[in-house]
Amino acid sequence: GQNIDQPTEMTATEGAIVQINCTYQTSGFNGLFWYQQHAGEAPTFLSYNVLDGLEEKGRFSSFLSRSKGYSYLLLKELQMKDSASYLCAAIDSNYQLIWGAGTKLIIKP
Amino acid sequence: NAGVTQTPKFRVLKTGQSMTLLCAQDMNHEYMYWYRQDPGMGLRLIHYSVGEGTTAKGEVPDGYNVSRLKKQNFLLGLESAAPSQTSVYFCASRTDRDTGELFFGEGSRLTVL
Repeated sequence: GQNIDQPTEMTATEGAIVQINCTYQTSGFNGLFWYQQHAGEAPTFLSYNVLDGLEEKGRFSSFLSRSKGYSYLLLKELQMKDSASYLCAAIDSNYQLIWGAGTKLIIKP
Repeated sequence: NAGVTQTPKFRVLKTGQSMTLLCAQDMNHEYMYWYRQDPGMGLRLIHYSVGEGTTAKGEVPDGYNVSRLKKQNFLLGLESAAPSQTSVYFCASRTDRDTGELFFGEGSRLTVL
């Protein structure tokens, strides 16, 4: 079956760096998304990776290794507003998105 | 910029009642999706559409119906609501199936008593 695994919850300190991991098992692979979702709000797009390597966008970076079925989202210089859930989603061979359950990130002062 | 708009935002139903959730997008997107989101679970696809006049079943379609009569609108219907359908429903759209990011509506919180 198809599966996305990511930690349920992580805690980090304001100003620090945190890495949120995501492993996927899908029938075929056509890319991976990271979305941010604040409590009670809609998910918003953070990044898309389809090739191996690191994509940097400001304080956020996303990495993909297709051979390992692995991705991570790296958040630098953490701010209180980064407290949210982070959703990983892989695109399978039918171009359907398979979503992880999300990682709730708690930022402490 | 409206983007993706869902109505209503909140609704309380009694078991057996019916209702329709409306999703409207103004980005001329071909693909539209209805998801449900429950605590501790990922977004689960209910139904989707790859263009005007088309619909297809997703992962959890039972108890729901959809229609896409106009390109900009995607309706989700519950014919006979059940408590198991208590959830937050998100509509999303994207321009193409390959790399287009999904744009989400604000969500509709439905409670079935």
